[in-house]
Amino acid sequence: GENVEQHPSTLSVQEGDSAVIKCTYSDSASNYFPWYKQELGKGPQLIIDIRSNVGEKKDQRIAVTLNKTAKHFSLHITETQPEDSAVYFCAASPPFGNEKLTFGTGTRLTIIP
Amino acid sequence: DTAVSQTPKYLVTQMGNDKSIKCEQNLGHDTMYWYKQDSKKFLKIMFSYNNKELIINETVPNRFSPKSPDKAHLNLHINSLELGDSAVYFCASSFHHSNYEQYFGPGTRLTVT
Repeated sequence: GENVEQHPSTLSVQEGDSAVIKCTYSDSASNYFPWYKQELGKGPQLIIDIRSNVGEKKDQRIAVTLNKTAKHFSLHITETQPEDSAVYFCAASPPFGNEKLTFGTGTRLTIIP
Repeated sequence: DTAVSQTPKYLVTQMGNDKSIKCEQNLGHDTMYWYKQDSKKFLKIMFSYNNKELIINETVPNRFSPKSPDKAHLNLHINSLELGDSAVYFCASSFHHSNYEQYFGPGTRLTVT
C-alpha cells in the first residue's frame, strides 16, 4: 500500500517569512495530493490539493508543487501570519476504485510573532 | 450550519465497557469515513461507507463496528474498550469516494481508564 513520509515534524518560522513542508510517497499510481490544516481542538480542513496532471498550484499565500518523477510534493506558505500556526498534513491517494487517503505524519508549524 | 457533526465531543469510560459515537453530515455527500488520530497526531483511516455500503475496512479489531442507517449517518460502536483505544476519532464525508475533498467533523476524544 501507499506510504507517505512528511518532513519536518516541527517547524518554527518568523512571522512574515516563508515555510516549506515536504512529503514523499511510495505508490507511483497515486494521483491526488491534498494538504490539510488542523488547528488545536478541531478536525483537519483542506487548504489546497493538486492532481498529477499539474506540477504547481497556487491559492493566495499557499502553493503546492508536485514532482511525479521523484514522487514528492511540497507545501509553500509565504508571508506567514500567526494564524498559520497549526499542524499540517499531506496525503496521497491512488486513482483506483475505493481509494483511501494515506496521510503523512504531520508538521507542527509555529509562527513566531 | 454544522456540516459534519459528531457526538459526544468527549467520552471517558472504563475498560471493558461498550460505547458508541454518532456522526451526521448535512452536505448531501455519498461517502463517509471514520479516522483514528493517536497521541502523536497520526491520522489513520478505519472505515469508509459509500451510500450505506462498506467500501474500506482497514485492519481494525472486530470490537469496532460501523453502522450506516442512511447515507447521512455513520455511527461507530466499540465493544470491550481497551486502554489502547484512547484517541481522537474523526468522522468525515466527501461528495464521492473518488478523490474528492473530505470534510472532517470536530472529533470525539475517547479516554479509556
